[in-house]
Amino acid sequence: EVQLVESGGGLVQPGGSLRLSCAASGFTFSSYSMNWVRQAPGKGLEWVSYISSRGSTIYYADSVKGRFTISRDNAKNSLYLQMNSLRDEDTAVYYCARAHDYGDYVGLDYWGQGILVTVSS
Amino acid sequence: DIQLTQSPSFLSASVGDRVTITCRASQGISSYLAWYQQKPGKAPKLLIYAASTLQSGVPSRFSGSGSGTEFTLTISSLQPEDFATYYCQQLNTYPRTFGQGTKVEVK
Repeated sequence: EVQLVESGGGLVQPGGSLRLSCAASGFTFSSYSMNWVRQAPGKGLEWVSYISSRGSTIYYADSVKGRFTISRDNAKNSLYLQMNSLRDEDTAVYYCARAHDYGDYVGLDYWGQGILVTVSS
Repeated sequence: DIQLTQSPSFLSASVGDRVTITCRASQGISSYLAWYQQKPGKAPKLLIYAASTLQSGVPSRFSGSGSGTEFTLTISSLQPEDFATYYCQQLNTYPRTFGQGTKVEVK
């Protein structure tokens, strides 16, 4: 069974940093591209970042570019999101999501349960 | 960036109704569009990919159509478990973008 479990969320002050982790199991993690998607309270979905299966290709939303860094450790079946210079508007539930079996242009077929990040003083 | 506009944003319907949601892209995206369903407090669930292909395990009352800039998600006969928020997502270019969502509520 495919499982994605996020951790590392919590309350952080504006300007602070946080590192999210996503532990993957039930599939060959090193064969799949991964994404982070977030959802502010009561709002819609916002795609945040993408990393290819080997980590060689990375993309970010403009809203986080230069502040967030996506990475992965295929030996540990783990995905990460390092979030620096956090702002109030980064408050959201963060989901890790797997690219579909059929590739990056298809959709996100498995999602974690989400982890809440709250940026507030 | 490619903008996706869903209509309507809210929809009131009854069990058994046929429901159609539209997603319009600001530029052509071929068939690189996915639809998701999200229930409160839960992660999104992939329903349809490549604009019209049903994801494994999704009931056949869900269908998708379209290409280029206009897409539709149709639920042929709304069931109680279908009351949720639906999102489209384009996978043609980065940044990947989502529509603003359509909430399907009980009439």
